[in-house]
Amino acid sequence: EAQVTQNPRYLITVTGKKLTVTCSQNMNHEYMSWYRQDPGLGLRQIYYSMNVEVTDKGDVPEGYKVSRKEKRNFPLILESPSPNQTSLYFCASSRPGRGYTFGSGTRLTVV
Amino acid sequence: AQSVTQPDIHITVSEGASLELRCNYSYGATPYLFWYVQSPGQGLQLLLKYFSGDTLVQGIKGFEAEFKRSQSSFNLRKPSVHWSDAAEYFCAVGASNAGGTSYGKLTFGQGTILTVHP
Repeated sequence: EAQVTQNPRYLITVTGKKLTVTCSQNMNHEYMSWYRQDPGLGLRQIYYSMNVEVTDKGDVPEGYKVSRKEKRNFPLILESPSPNQTSLYFCASSRPGRGYTFGSGTRLTVV
Repeated sequence: AQSVTQPDIHITVSEGASLELRCNYSYGATPYLFWYVQSPGQGLQLLLKYFSGDTLVQGIKGFEAEFKRSQSSFNLRKPSVHWSDAAEYFCAVGASNAGGTSYGKLTFGQGTILTVHP
């Protein structure tokens, strides 16, 4: 089944403890992206990648890192999480010019 | 910089009534435009997209949207709403490079919550 898989689905962590949210897609899509969703703010793009080793900042990149070493994987790294990064995170992938296919989301709580 | 405005935070309609959700975008070049739907606790599902050509696009679940360049709008419509359409709807605009190809940057509106009364 064609899909974008994120793990974990739920995560509670403490301030400052580095964490990684994994994202994998099995559709051979060139583009991948991370979003955060907060009430009243819609979805905001954190980072996106056009292909392996090609990444660029979205609208809210501060406090996040990404890497694209393989086409199928696009992990999101929070090196020192803070409570204002508590949010619902979505990974997505697409072919150029097509709509993104979204994962099921990761609900992150930073205490 | 691109931006999207969805003027209506919450819309309530009766089942069987027609629906129009508004979307206005700001982008200097030819935009890629999308509508997504998100049911409670779920991810986002693509309803339809516009890149070029016919300005009236058909999507899944009986939805359609019309691109109006002069008004910078991409409103979503459905002639008869079903109770299962209750969800949050997001309009999004994608950037394109000088050659007209999208490059992955996508900006969403704040969303419109649709409530359907029986």
